[in-house]
Amino acid sequence: DVKVTQSSRYLVKRTGEKVFLECVQDMDHENMFWYRQDPGLGLRLIYFSYDVKMKEKGDIPEGYSVSREKKERFSLILESASTNQTSMYLCASSLGGASNRLDEQFFGPGTRLTVL
Amino acid sequence: EDQVTQSPEALRLQEGESSSLNCSYTVSGLRGLFWYRQDPGKGPEFLFTLYSAGEEKEKERLKATLTKKESFLHITAPKPEDSATYLCAVQPNSNSNSGYALNFGKGTSLLVTP
Repeated sequence: DVKVTQSSRYLVKRTGEKVFLECVQDMDHENMFWYRQDPGLGLRLIYFSYDVKMKEKGDIPEGYSVSREKKERFSLILESASTNQTSMYLCASSLGGASNRLDEQFFGPGTRLTVL
Repeated sequence: EDQVTQSPEALRLQEGESSSLNCSYTVSGLRGLFWYRQDPGKGPEFLFTLYSAGEEKEKERLKATLTKKESFLHITAPKPEDSATYLCAVQPNSNSNSGYALNFGKGTSLLVTP
């Protein structure tokens, strides 16, 4: 079974703090994704990565950056946290690769971030 | 612009009362449509992939179907443990790396009462 883990289930930070959210997958997947999920807005893609050191912006990248130095690990960084970044953050991975264009994503348990 | 719309937003059923959830989509080209189940406070759990009109997939009390414009998730004789939010997502047909990204609907919140 695919396993996607996230570093924290709950996190409370202060406005202006730098925040790191870590995600690790154990199935050698090429693709990794970061979403945020808010009531009434659904899942929105922040960034994704299709290879080590490669990234692409999603629908709402403003205020966020990402890092993928190793294939299994994808980090989401909030450079200066703000209250409007309070949300549920979900990491996902998918097999990827040129021969796997039909590509279901597998999700981690989520990190509930509160910015005060 | 690609769009995924799920209806109803919320559905309450009695145990054993079968029903269907709808996912309608507009996309320039469909590579695949996915159904997920999400329990409160948890990440979505993958259920099904459909990729061509007429295709059907089944798992226990759930059956997913696909047409050229929409997908249905049929729930037969539901039990309280089927209570969850069900999410639909589409993968557009694209040769760029952005083709791996999924567009999610906002979900249908299902409550099954004993």
